Amino acid sequence: DTEVTQTPKHLVMGMTNKKSLKCEQHMGHRAMYWYKQKAKKPPELMFVYSYEKLSINESVPSRFSPECPNSSLLNLHLHALQPEDSALYLCASSQVYRGANYGYTFGSGTRLTVV
Amino acid sequence: KQEVTQIPAALSVPEGENLVLNCSFTDSAIYNLQWFRQDPGKGLTSLLLIQSSQREQTSGRLNASLDKSSGRSTLYIAASQPGDSATYLCAVTPGYSTLTFGKGTMLLVSP
Repeated sequence: DTEVTQTPKHLVMGMTNKKSLKCEQHMGHRAMYWYKQKAKKPPELMFVYSYEKLSINESVPSRFSPECPNSSLLNLHLHALQPEDSALYLCASSQVYRGANYGYTFGSGTRLTVV
Repeated sequence: KQEVTQIPAALSVPEGENLVLNCSFTDSAIYNLQWFRQDPGKGLTSLLLIQSSQREQTSGRLNASLDKSSGRSTLYIAASQPGDSATYLCAVTPGYSTLTFGKGTMLLVSP
């Protein structure tokens, strides 16, 4: 299995809703990431988990809450979002070992619309 | 701070042409460089990964080169096809767990 699987593919939520994005990989990668991508822009890093511990939070608002239940799963919990949070949310994983990174695998993304 | 620049921003070619996409980065201290393809509204597909100790990688009609000393990489696409139309992103891994992207080259191959 060489894929990163993201669900759902599309999500429409109101500003008072609570929802979660899910990401799963079975490649044995020990680093997992959330990226946000707006139209015609490159992806922007949000969070990094390394060996199931949060290692980087790029000053993301608290209405985004990541969770890594185990080495294969990564969740992004959403609450009280704003319309400007509408974007493509990408999950990625990579194998890291002894200070080296061996390339990234991205999922197909969740298209989020906040109304 | 690492910066990645991709030239050109957009490229339109007729089918069958060979083409080169360029990527430059400001800090040569990278672990690797990765080329991705992105179709509209879709995720990123990894095309080629070049480790810092390597000079090039090839996959089918694609060839990517890396010159760390000059901070440059090129992606060569041979005999382009309409199905190659997409945005191509260059990204470097300057650290253990971060990825710095260029803004991409939007490629259109017309039949």
